[in-house]
Amino acid sequence: QAQLVESGGAVVQPGRSLRLSCAASGFTFSSYATHWVRQAPGKGLEWVALILHDGSNRYYVDSVKGRFTISRDNPNKTSYLQMNSLRAEDTAVYYCVREGTVAGDAFDIWGPGTMVIVSS
Amino acid sequence: EVVLTQSPDFQSVTPKEKVTITCRASQNIVSNLHWYQQKPDQSPKLLIRFASQSFSGAPSRFSGSGSGTDFTLTIDGLEAEDAATYYCHQSSYFPQTFGQGTKVEIK
Repeated sequence: QAQLVESGGAVVQPGRSLRLSCAASGFTFSSYATHWVRQAPGKGLEWVALILHDGSNRYYVDSVKGRFTISRDNPNKTSYLQMNSLRAEDTAVYYCVREGTVAGDAFDIWGPGTMVIVSS
Repeated sequence: EVVLTQSPDFQSVTPKEKVTITCRASQNIVSNLHWYQQKPDQSPKLLIRFASQSFSGAPSRFSGSGSGTDFTLTIDGLEAEDAATYYCHQSSYFPQTFGQGTKVEIK
């Protein structure tokens, strides 16, 4: 059964860093692009970043450019989101998601999410 | 940035009724529009991909239509378990964006 499981969420002070991990299982991880999507408490979904299946290209929402870095380790079936210079507005549940088989496909697998709280 | 506007924001519906949720894009996104269901304290689940393709495992009462800028999610015969928030999502342009969500409540 294909699944994704995030970890690394925590309470951190503004300006600090945090790295989220996303462990994949049950499918050929290296064949799929992965994304991070976040959801602030009581709010809607916001796309954050994408990394292609081979790591060749990465894309970010403007609000995290220069602060967040998405990466992946295909042999270990893990994706990462390095978050630096965290701000209060980064507080959210962060979901790791798998993009389907076609370019521009929907997000067919979602992890349970990991909570990041940025507060002094 | 492509803005997706869903309507209505909230809908209270009786079981077995037909529910229609619309999603309007600020520019042409062809058919790169997907629909998700999110229940409280759960991750979103994919229902419809590329505007009208049902995702494996999604109940058959869910269907999608549209192209270009106007899209519709239909629930034909609402069931109690369909109480949730529904989101549309476009993958035509970066940044990818979501609609603000439509909350469906069961009367």
